[in-house]
Amino acid sequence: NAGVMQNPRHLVRRRGQEARLRCSPMKGHSHVYWYRQLPEEGLKFMVYLQKENIIDESGMPKERFSAEFPKEGPSILRIQQVVRGDSAAYFCASSPCGGPGGCEQYFGPGTRLTVT
Amino acid sequence: ILNVEQSPQSLHVQEGDSTNFTCSFPSSNFYALHWYRWETAKSPEALFVMTLNGDEKKKGRISATLNTKEGYSYLYIKGSQPEDSATYLCASLNQAGTALIFGKGTTLSVSS
Repeated sequence: NAGVMQNPRHLVRRRGQEARLRCSPMKGHSHVYWYRQLPEEGLKFMVYLQKENIIDESGMPKERFSAEFPKEGPSILRIQQVVRGDSAAYFCASSPCGGPGGCEQYFGPGTRLTVT
Repeated sequence: ILNVEQSPQSLHVQEGDSTNFTCSFPSSNFYALHWYRWETAKSPEALFVMTLNGDEKKKGRISATLNTKEGYSYLYIKGSQPEDSATYLCASLNQAGTALIFGKGTTLSVSS
């Protein structure tokens, strides 16, 4: 059973460009979470999605960031008009269940975004 | 705002030493407490998910306890080995039960 896959592993964008980060959850997992790790900081929750639905996006910046998890295909985190402050490592995690039950989350290797 | 605090921030021990770290979290609206181990250049790896007050879980030389009434969890490593060197993260579910709020971690270094 392949783990959580993320691509690309490294992404360089100039200011103003768009960044698209992909996450393929583990087989059988329908819950996906995105986290961001800024330099010198811990993991910060961004968004929680279940197939075709955004469940909690309380950690997403209000502008330029969006996420989706379509019925078919990977989850996408999209950052429009990137700025230098978006440079960070973005991690995706998947889980076979969600909610207060507290299922383990399985993390991908992350995408390191550098904005020049 | 849910704050999850971990201490110490970093720790250096000798091979064979036993050690422990602390995670504190708000005790109101508690759902679950997660522990992860994060080695450099790898992904965070789940160690334990704990939900009940008084829970004790064990995986090899690593164990954890949970006190939901006072809002803390301890992670213990018995007989530390160099391969235990990693950052240990704890996280608590937010009030909606939909997101993990992580502490900043305790970085353990074990020298032989």
